[in-house]
Amino acid sequence: GDSVTQMEGPVTLSEEAFLTINCTYTATGYPSLFWYVQYPGEGLQLLLKATKADDKGSNKGFEATYRKETTSFHLEKGSVQVSDSAVYFCAQTRDSSNTGKLIFGQGTTLQVKP
Amino acid sequence: DAGVIQSPRHEVTEMGQEVTLRCKPISGHDYLFWYRQTMMRGLELLIYFNNNVPIDDSGMPEDRFSAKMPNASFSTLKIQPSEPRDSAVYFCASSLQGGTGELFFGEGSRLTVL
Repeated sequence: GDSVTQMEGPVTLSEEAFLTINCTYTATGYPSLFWYVQYPGEGLQLLLKATKADDKGSNKGFEATYRKETTSFHLEKGSVQVSDSAVYFCAQTRDSSNTGKLIFGQGTTLQVKP
Repeated sequence: DAGVIQSPRHEVTEMGQEVTLRCKPISGHDYLFWYRQTMMRGLELLIYFNNNVPIDDSGMPEDRFSAKMPNASFSTLKIQPSEPRDSAVYFCASSLQGGTGELFFGEGSRLTVL
């Protein structure tokens, strides 16, 4: 069945380091792909999205490119800050109707140290 | 604009007690989702509604769980009787039909069953 797999955490980086969090998906169709972020004690919020192959989503210095050939949607940031410490979830739509019914990965915890 | 509002934020109860969690979705949204988050299982979709009608409750763990949406602005998730393994953070989320598939999450209700 359709699924999303993320690299296991926690990922610990020093401030200003380069970040990559890997995400791969399996899908029968052509899903939209999302990265959500969860700060401590809060709900998830959308970080960025891409709706078709080769689209690049970007927000707050984070980027991810929808790669159909490798079924990947890796999250990157050139220089992380302490405030980026959070749990990051990769997700895909379950169906083509964009209802918001999503399949989430297991989440990757990012810790950024000063 | 008000986001998704959940109550209570924290609930501590004893095994066997009834628990009711509440959610007010974003006005105008057609879909409402209930998720459960635990360390072991990550984010699990319990049930979702479209225009107040339950569409898929296959994620509801067992008969002790029930959810209702009596109108477009209110939903409840009830656990009766509660058990320690129900301890988790329960999130409500809403989305707009015909949108991009983005989910808008509440801040969650952290349930502890002793």
